[in-house]
Amino acid sequence: KAGVTQTPRYLIKTRGQQVTLSCSPISGHRSVSWYQQTPGQGLQFLFEYFSETQRNKGNFPGRFSGRQFSNSRSEMNVSTLELGDSALYLCASSIERGGGNEQFFGPGTRLTVL
Amino acid sequence: AQSVTQLDSHVSVSEGTPVLLRCNYSSSYSPSLFWYVQHPNKGLQLLLKYTSAATLVKGINGFEAEFKKSETSFHLTKPSAHMSDAAEYFCVVSDRYDYKLSFGAGTTVTVRA
Repeated sequence: KAGVTQTPRYLIKTRGQQVTLSCSPISGHRSVSWYQQTPGQGLQFLFEYFSETQRNKGNFPGRFSGRQFSNSRSEMNVSTLELGDSALYLCASSIERGGGNEQFFGPGTRLTVL
Repeated sequence: AQSVTQLDSHVSVSEGTPVLLRCNYSSSYSPSLFWYVQHPNKGLQLLLKYTSAATLVKGINGFEAEFKKSETSFHLTKPSAHMSDAAEYFCVVSDRYDYKLSFGAGTTVTVRA
């Protein structure tokens, strides 16, 4: 069974631009979560989608948004990029919602903002 | 609210010696606890998880962790370190009602030959 895939793997943007990252969950998984990883702040939860609805949101500004499609694939968008948005963005999928369900992580998209 | 504190930012061990990574958690409800490992330029891989069954949890690659409610701890151990264990390790908590994962700051493990 294929794992979680994220595209693109690497991205370079300039301040003020916007970016869209894509995540394809493991087949049959309905929950997709996004995390930001930076050296200073560590791993932080962005949001979770389940059945095309955002179910949970972390403490990030409104410039960060996402959506989920009917096939469970998810995208996240960051508008008006800032230098501080440079990070590794990780997507994770799980079969169902639930604190005990294992989340499977993709390899991440490394975003560099110049 | 839930949170995790990893007590050591860096642990250095010799190959063949035991590894101990310490983790304390805080959770308002019955928590699920996880240990994930991240090798350089790789995604996160689950080592083991605790979800209110046995308090001693065995994971992959010889790792195990013990859930101690009275001490709010979930320390990770391995009897004999291998060079391939060099990586960053994250202790993670998720409670029954707030499904998001809350990560600790991570512990970097270095294994000396």
